[in-house]
Amino acid sequence: GAVVSQHPSWVICKSGTSVKIECRSLDFQATTMFWYRQFPKQSLMLMATSNEGSKATYEQGVEKDKFLINHASLTLSTLTVTSAHPEDSSFYICSARTGQNYGYTFGSGTRLTVV
Amino acid sequence: GIQVEQSPPDLILQEGANSTLRCNFSDSVNNLQWFHQNPWGQLINLFYIPSGTKQNGRLSATTVATERYSLLYISSSQTTDSGVYFCAVRIGGATNKLIFGTGTLLAVQP
Repeated sequence: GAVVSQHPSWVICKSGTSVKIECRSLDFQATTMFWYRQFPKQSLMLMATSNEGSKATYEQGVEKDKFLINHASLTLSTLTVTSAHPEDSSFYICSARTGQNYGYTFGSGTRLTVV
Repeated sequence: GIQVEQSPPDLILQEGANSTLRCNFSDSVNNLQWFHQNPWGQLINLFYIPSGTKQNGRLSATTVATERYSLLYISSSQTTDSGVYFCAVRIGGATNKLIFGTGTLLAVQP
């Protein structure tokens, strides 16, 4: 089946630094990928839609300059958390649609802790 | 925007018991999926079910799109069923965004 690989699985960084999270579709091409954020004991909240070769579409309330998304190829999307602060600590998950009748497949997530 | 509410929010079961989880959505949707999020955060696709009924082993799901709800049935529950169950709906438009429900936290005790 379709696999989405997400790295790193967890990362600890200092306040003020930037962190890049990668999401790769391993056996299919993903023209569109989605980035979610999940705080403890809460649901997944869609942050942005990443489109190959064009600018990402951000959900209301998500800071474009803080969460930089790049989708340079049909198999890779990256999320960079810039100038991270402790309140950015969260679980970030990427997703791609795998086809008309197969729904969506998710990466394994990245647990970010900003200290 | 669309609201996706799940009930119950928390559920504790004894191993071997059956349960029904519900997902209500406030507007028409194109598709609906059920996911299980394990303790490590991985989302596992259970069902892609825009309408009708599907079964996979001890799990089955039913979606009645015209009445805007879906049900997930878990029979003969096992401790490995523990985790959070989410329904998610795909709304229309060019982006095909997937919007998640509020989740049900299930704990199956031995």
